[in-house]
Amino acid sequence: GAVVSQHPSRVICKSGTSVKIECRSLDFQATTMFWYRQFPKKSLMLMATSNEGSKATYEQGVEKDKFLINHASLTLSTLTVTSAHPEDSSFYICSATGTSDPLEQYFGPGTRLTVT
Amino acid sequence: GQNIDQPTEMTATEGAIVQINCTYQTSGFNGLFWYQQHAGEAPTFLSYNVLDGLEEKGRFSSFLSRSKGYSYLLLKELQMKDSASYLCAVRDSNYQLIWGAGTKLIIKP
Repeated sequence: GAVVSQHPSRVICKSGTSVKIECRSLDFQATTMFWYRQFPKKSLMLMATSNEGSKATYEQGVEKDKFLINHASLTLSTLTVTSAHPEDSSFYICSATGTSDPLEQYFGPGTRLTVT
Repeated sequence: GQNIDQPTEMTATEGAIVQINCTYQTSGFNGLFWYQQHAGEAPTFLSYNVLDGLEEKGRFSSFLSRSKGYSYLLLKELQMKDSASYLCAVRDSNYQLIWGAGTKLIIKP
């Protein structure tokens, strides 16, 4: 099956700093990648949809200047949390759509961000 | 608005069968997905239904009734490793995935 990697798996940073999370599709080309956020015992919350070579589409309520998304190639998308605050601490998960029906999403292993 | 409902938590016994229900109200329908998510890990794809009926895949089966806006995931011969959250997601007319809050399944020996 399709494999999506995510790096780092865990990161601790201080308030005010920025953190970059990488999402890679290892064995397929992902024209569309998704970034989710998940709080403990809650469902996935879609933050943005990222298409290669174009600007990401952000969901309502998600600050695009705070959560910068870049999808520079068919195998790599990055999420940068700028000027992080403790409330940004969460589990961030990326996914990529397969290339054939039913176009299910393949998820990366997630990144646990803790802002101190 | 769009809505996916599934029970918050269920408990079952090892070796038994459990059915996790999902009802949905969405703007259009382009398929329903079930994902499994172990604690602290990302979701993994289990099944996909776009036509009415039952899809069987080993110990797991998924059923869909589009007219009723209803699906269920059936897990047979439960194993301790099946303890996880099970997420129901519906793809709407814009091909957006609408996610349920997930059902935490607890398996007891």
